[in-house]
This record gives sequence, C-alpha cells and structure tokens, in this order.
Amino acid sequence: DAKTTQPPSMDCAEGRAANLPCNHSTISGNEYVYWYRQIHSQGPQYIIHGLKNNETNEMASLIITEDRKSSTLILPHATLRDTAVYYCIVRVAPGNQFYFGTGTSLTVIP
Amino acid sequence: NAGVTQTPKFRILKIGQSMTLQCTQDMNHNYMYWYRQDPGMGLKLIYYSVGAGITDKGEVPNGYNVSRSTTEDFPLRLELAAPSQTSVYFCASSYGSALTDTQYFGPGTRLTVL
Repeated sequence: DAKTTQPPSMDCAEGRAANLPCNHSTISGNEYVYWYRQIHSQGPQYIIHGLKNNETNEMASLIITEDRKSSTLILPHATLRDTAVYYCIVRVAPGNQFYFGTGTSLTVIP
Repeated sequence: NAGVTQTPKFRILKIGQSMTLQCTQDMNHNYMYWYRQDPGMGLKLIYYSVGAGITDKGEVPNGYNVSRSTTEDFPLRLELAAPSQTSVYFCASSYGSALTDTQYFGPGTRLTVL
C-alpha cells in the first residue's frame, strides 16, 4: 500500500510556482513525509522531507498541514528541467522502506 | 564519491535464463534496497538489507534472490527469467533506518525478458 494519494498529472507555466499536493491521511505520528522526483526514468532524486513543521531547502519548500493528513511540495520558480514525476512517500518502518505510489507527472510549459 | 552504481545498464534475457544485477555503493551505507519499476508505475520494493549478512523481503520478492556479503555490494539474482520480470531495476542505499535517513538511488538496469 502506497499510503499516499497524488493527482496523476499537473501543468505549470515556466517561472511560476508549482504546487504539488499529496494526501496521507493514515500517516502515523512519527512517520516522515518524503518527496522524490524521477526525470526520464532515471533513478529517483531526493528533494525534501519533513515531519510536521514546514521545511525549505535549495530545491523546494514543503508545507505540511497541522493535522499532518496532507502536504504540498512547492517549486518556487519552475523551469523546464523540473518536468518530472514527483513522488510523495511516507516511510514505513522497519527497514526504512519506502512505498512509492504512481506519483504526479509535472509538465512545465514554456 | 560515485554514489550508487549499477551494472549492466541494459540486458535482454531469454525465458528461463538467469542473471545477476550488480549494485555497489561507496558511501559506507548500512542499508541497501532493490526496487523494480514497471512502465507507468511507481517503484516496488523487492528486497532490502540492513547490513552485511542480513536481508529481508519487500513487497514483491518472488522470483528473486539476494545476498549481502560486504557493506558495499548487494547483488540481485534472477534464477529463471520470466516475461513478467521485464522492468527497470533500481538499487538504493541509506545510512540507516532513522526516520530522517534518505535513500540514494542508482541509475537503474533496464531488463527485457523475451
């Protein structure tokens, strides 16, 4: 079970913010939300992760709702190179196992 | 650091043949994983290892075997290849199982079974 639900596809204009939603209503109190992306069937690339506070790094921001049942990944200024499939993942213990869903295919439009 | 490397990049097998997919990491990570990705789908965990000599099944282990004799290497063995095993295989590693440990992925091996 993927434990997360994401829209299958989204478009975003180049230079605009891309907001990718994710539902994880069954998340446990100590489970982190991770975001990865996959470009052209390459190996998935780590973007960001968080527990309950909003997080920001050089790639993106992660906004987690107060009840932790959903989150949004924000790419502040999308470029054509951000076109990829984005996976929202809740980590499952033991073994640090990740359960991938089908992700959101983001297309950045010139 | 090369990170996670996988060989070969591509392979075509006939039904019933066997092969080993190689995975090596140079980050001194304790945990290693094998995933498969079918077209249009997310990754599914096949096997994982928490350290040398210790392995465990993931979601879809049938038809595969693994071993972990060193920290660096985690080969995946297909004994009797079947068309259902046509997929892209990704190896990954992480330092541990802490809730904040991220997984680092290799470039993948594209396998076709005819």
